[in-house]
Amino acid sequence: AQSVTQPDIHITVSEGASLELRCNYSYGATPYLFWYVQSPGQGLQLLLKYFSGDTLVQGIKGFEAEFKRSQSSFNLRKPSVHWSDAAEYFCAVVRGDSWGKLQFGAGTQVVVTP
Amino acid sequence: NAGVTQTPKFRVLKTGQSMTLLCAQDMNHEYMYWYRQDPGMGLRLIHYSVGEGTTAKGEVPDGYNVSRLKKQNFLLGLESAAPSQTSVYFCASSSGTPSYEQYFGPGTRLTVT
Repeated sequence: AQSVTQPDIHITVSEGASLELRCNYSYGATPYLFWYVQSPGQGLQLLLKYFSGDTLVQGIKGFEAEFKRSQSSFNLRKPSVHWSDAAEYFCAVVRGDSWGKLQFGAGTQVVVTP
Repeated sequence: NAGVTQTPKFRVLKTGQSMTLLCAQDMNHEYMYWYRQDPGMGLRLIHYSVGEGTTAKGEVPDGYNVSRLKKQNFLLGLESAAPSQTSVYFCASSSGTPSYEQYFGPGTRLTVT
C-alpha cells in the first residue's frame, strides 16, 4: 500500500537558522509529490510540487525540495527561517492513476524561536 | 475569485443529529474532495468526485454521504453524528491532469458532544 512518512512530528528551529523537513514515500513508480503548509486555524497552501524533470524544485516563501529516487525521499528545505514560517507542514503524494487522490503524511509542526 | 469556500466555519452537534457541510468552488474544477484532519494523522480522504453527478469512497467513508448535483458544489452529509466525527473538515478541488494540484478551503471545525 502506498504510504507517506514524515519522521519528525515536531521541530524547533531558531529564527535565521536553516530548516529541513523529511518526507519518505513508498510507491513503485515516481508519484506526484507535494508539500503543503498550514498556518494555525487556516487551510492548506501549496508550497511546491514535483512531477518530473529537475529534481530540485523551487517553491514559494523561499522553500525548495529535492526529489531523490534512490532514497524515495522528497525533503523540504529553507536556508533561513523567519518567525512567520511557524506552521505545520505536510508532505503528500498522488498516484497518476488515482484520480488525483492525495495521500498525506502525518505532518511536522515547526516552532520558530527568537 | 473566491477559490474554495466552505460553510459553516464552526458547528457543534449533539450525538445523533444530522448536518450538511457545503463546499463551493468557482474555478470550474472537475475533481472535488472531502478530507478530515485529526491530530497526528494528517488529512484523510472521506469521499471524492471526478465530475458532476459522480462520487466515490475514499479512505474513511463510513458515517458520511456526499452529493455532487452541480459541478461547483460538493456536499458532505452526516446522517447521525457520533463523537468520533469530531474533526476539522477540509474540502479541496482540482482540475486533474496534468498537475493534480489541489486547492483547499478554509475548513469547518465540527464538534460532536
